[in-house]
Amino acid sequence: GDSVTQMEGPVTLSEEAFLTINCTYTATGYPSLFWYVQYPGEGLQLLLKATKADDKGSNKGFEATYRKETTSFHLEKGSVQVSDSAVYFCALSFPFSGSARQLTFGSGTQLTVLP
Amino acid sequence: DTGVSQDPRHKITKRGQNVTFRCDPISEHNRLYWYRQTLGQGPEFLTYFQNEAQLEKSRLLSDRFSAERPKGSFSTLEIQRTEQGDSAMYLCASSTGGGPDTEAFFGQGTRLTVV
Repeated sequence: GDSVTQMEGPVTLSEEAFLTINCTYTATGYPSLFWYVQYPGEGLQLLLKATKADDKGSNKGFEATYRKETTSFHLEKGSVQVSDSAVYFCALSFPFSGSARQLTFGSGTQLTVLP
Repeated sequence: DTGVSQDPRHKITKRGQNVTFRCDPISEHNRLYWYRQTLGQGPEFLTYFQNEAQLEKSRLLSDRFSAERPKGSFSTLEIQRTEQGDSAMYLCASSTGGGPDTEAFFGQGTRLTVV
């Protein structure tokens, strides 16, 4: 079945460091790809998305590029801030097949940014 | 509209008791999802409603679980004869449509602890 594999955490960085969180997927077909973020005490929020190969999603300084050849969607940020400390989830869905089109999530990566 | 609302936020129950959770989606959203998230894992899909119709259920949804969305607005998730393995965060999400750009909005979840 479909699955998402994320880089295991936790990840601890100093402020202004470069961030990469790896995400690869296994799926039959061409899913839409997402990064969700969960700040402490809050619900999951969509961070960015990409719906087809070579698309780049970006938001709040974060970027991820849909790489069909490597089935990857790695999350990057050039300079992290303390406020980026959260759990990051990579996810996929198939918007054009089936009725539910539910999200399949990775296990999450805890990021802590130190001042 | 303040987003997806879930009630209660926390529930502690004794093994064998029944529990019911409520989800109020964003008002114009016709799609509603329930997910379960255990510690250190990403959310896993449980079930999906389009308006009042429950159109898909995961294998995770045993016969002790039942979900309803009687008027196509709020939804309830009931767990009968709770077991310790039911301890988890139960998340509700809602969305419009189901195309590749559709964003699912999540509630803050109900954390269930079965003792």
